[in-house]
Amino acid sequence: AQTVTQSQPEMSVQEAETVTLSCTYDTSESNYYLFWYKQPPSRQMILVIRQEAYKQQNATENRFSVNFQKAAKSFSLKISDSQLGDTAMYFCAFMDSNYQLIWGAGTKLIIKP
Amino acid sequence: KAGVTQTPRYLIKTRGQQVTLSCSPISGHRSVSWYQQTPGQGLQFLFEYFSETQRNKGNFPGRFSGRQFSNSRSEMNVSTLELGDSALYLCASSLDTASSGANVLTFGAGSRLTVL
Repeated sequence: AQTVTQSQPEMSVQEAETVTLSCTYDTSESNYYLFWYKQPPSRQMILVIRQEAYKQQNATENRFSVNFQKAAKSFSLKISDSQLGDTAMYFCAFMDSNYQLIWGAGTKLIIKP
Repeated sequence: KAGVTQTPRYLIKTRGQQVTLSCSPISGHRSVSWYQQTPGQGLQFLFEYFSETQRNKGNFPGRFSGRQFSNSRSEMNVSTLELGDSALYLCASSLDTASSGANVLTFGAGSRLTVL
């Protein structure tokens, strides 16, 4: 069975700093998709970034980038120049061959002023 | 462009009752997925509908059911409610999760169900 592990339950950084959230997954599939979603206190789940496993290039979206290591089954999220609005729960997710998302337990990220 | 709309946002039920939650996807999206979020179990997949057909189902008892209408709107129903059904129920839509270029899920704000 596919699993997703986020080993950091909570992280806290100062505004403007860079922070990296870890995610590892386990699968026997060769082609799949990985996502990072954020869920602020308003609880709306918002897509941060998406990575296709067959693409070597790491995905980037403005201040957000990933370090995708397929062989190591690692998919970390880097947030540069962190802002107060980045405070949220961050979930790593794997889309399996049945098109369902398998989720990690989440990392609570707090950006301090 | 309107987002994914879920109703009701909050509801309180008692054990044994049933509940129906509604989800209106983004216009043009044909796939609707449902997820349950609890502090203990985290996020778990319930089911996915595409073109009025249930395409996939998670590991939930038969008390959990759903359907999708011709306009892609979806409902999920939970019968004989148990205390453990208290959760945030999230609906997400996409153009088509089975299409590599269209499998990004856009989520609604969720329906918070409390079972007393």
